[in-house]
Amino acid sequence: EVRLLESGGALVQPGGSLRLSCAASGFTFSTYAMTWVRQAPGKGLEWVSAVGGGGGGSTHHAESVKGRFIISRDNSKNTLYLHMSSLRVEDTALYYCAKGSAVWSRASLESWGQGTLVTVSA
Amino acid sequence: QSVLTQPPSASGTPGQRVTISCSGSSPNIGSNTVDWYQQLPGTAPKFLLSSNNQRPSGVPDRFSGSKSGTSASLAISGLQSEDEADYYCATWDDSLSGRVFGGGTKLTVL
Repeated sequence: EVRLLESGGALVQPGGSLRLSCAASGFTFSTYAMTWVRQAPGKGLEWVSAVGGGGGGSTHHAESVKGRFIISRDNSKNTLYLHMSSLRVEDTALYYCAKGSAVWSRASLESWGQGTLVTVSA
Repeated sequence: QSVLTQPPSASGTPGQRVTISCSGSSPNIGSNTVDWYQQLPGTAPKFLLSSNNQRPSGVPDRFSGSKSGTSASLAISGLQSEDEADYYCATWDDSLSGRVFGGGTKLTVL
């Protein structure tokens, strides 16, 4: 059974930094693309970042977070990360980790975690 | 403003067939498969199916997807009360080099 467990969410001041983690189990982690998607309170889904699988590990980031967020993965630890800096109030959201159905970042998001809450406020 | 356009709401009565549309453009829907996600109240999103009708096991065949040109649609037949949820379309955008979501459609079962 695929399991994705996000952690690291917290209350942080504007301009601050945070690192989210997503511990994966139940599948061969290195083989699949992984993605972060966020959802602001009462709003829709917004894609944040993706990293390919298979060792290539090419990364993609939404324009809204480019230069501030970095996605990475540690295949030896079966863990996905999102390094967040220069946080803004508008980054407040529930952040979901999702597993792709294939090695490519554009693959369907076939499994999702339960999310970790990031609140940016003074 | 989302890159993909969905109606904000849809409704139907039990047993009815409803469709939810998703409109995009050439670099996104026009060039890639479209996925549909279901989000039940208070829960994480769940992958429902792709426009080529690939679906995870456990998703009933009451749900079907289609795509034509730069538009896609999700059809739900034999509507049930448990189908009441938010539905999102999504695909890859080759111009943006990223995934794009529709704004979501809230389905109400009357």
